Amino acid sequence: QVQLQESGPGLVKPSETLSLTCTVSGGSISSYYWTWIRQPPGKGLEWIGYIYYSGSTNYNPSLKSRVTISVDTSKNQFSLKLSSVTAADTAVYYCARRSWYSYDSRGYSYYYYYMDVWGTGTTVTVSS
Amino acid sequence: DIQMTQSPSSLSASVGDRVTITCRASQSISSYLNWYQQKPGKAPNLLIYAASSLQSGVPSRFSGSGSGTDFTLTISSLQVEDFATYYCQQSYSTPVTFGQGTKVEIK
Repeated sequence: QVQLQESGPGLVKPSETLSLTCTVSGGSISSYYWTWIRQPPGKGLEWIGYIYYSGSTNYNPSLKSRVTISVDTSKNQFSLKLSSVTAADTAVYYCARRSWYSYDSRGYSYYYYYMDVWGTGTTVTVSS
Repeated sequence: DIQMTQSPSSLSASVGDRVTITCRASQSISSYLNWYQQKPGKAPNLLIYAASSLQSGVPSRFSGSGSGTDFTLTISSLQVEDFATYYCQQSYSTPVTFGQGTKVEIK
């Protein structure tokens, strides 16, 4: 079965760029969307954005100016870069697969998206 | 952005209890609603998608209902392993947004 694993530095200095990679194993990165989500300590979940295997992206407007998500299909990996970090970016960062359920009705196709496979998460602390 | 509001924020229940968690969207999202369970130190786990479809491998004591703005997650008979935090999430539009979570604790 498909498994995801995040990797990257656990400590980043303020104003620098956070860089994480998610490695997909047990399946191909093709034909799916791939997502980054984060969770500050003791708080809820925040969607960062997703990328399609072809490279098209969709970012949270609250982070859009600082976020870049990229994909490397040859390595079965996708990555997150978050620039100009502050202490508010301290969180557990998760990668996840965005899957969908679809059906056709009256000539229309309906797509219901959800995150069905998650990495274990990696803690990133922003501190000098 | 679509705001998702869960109630209650926390609840105490006993093994065997029927538990209901509510999620309300700030605008109609049809059935574009998912539910996740998260245990301490673990990643969220998908329980329900499209408001009422049970994810493969999830016990049948979990069920979801609702459409439009009001949704419910029901655990028919609470088990020890169900003590966790539950999140709803809308997939109607981006940015994807989550509820603030409901923590289910042991009474």
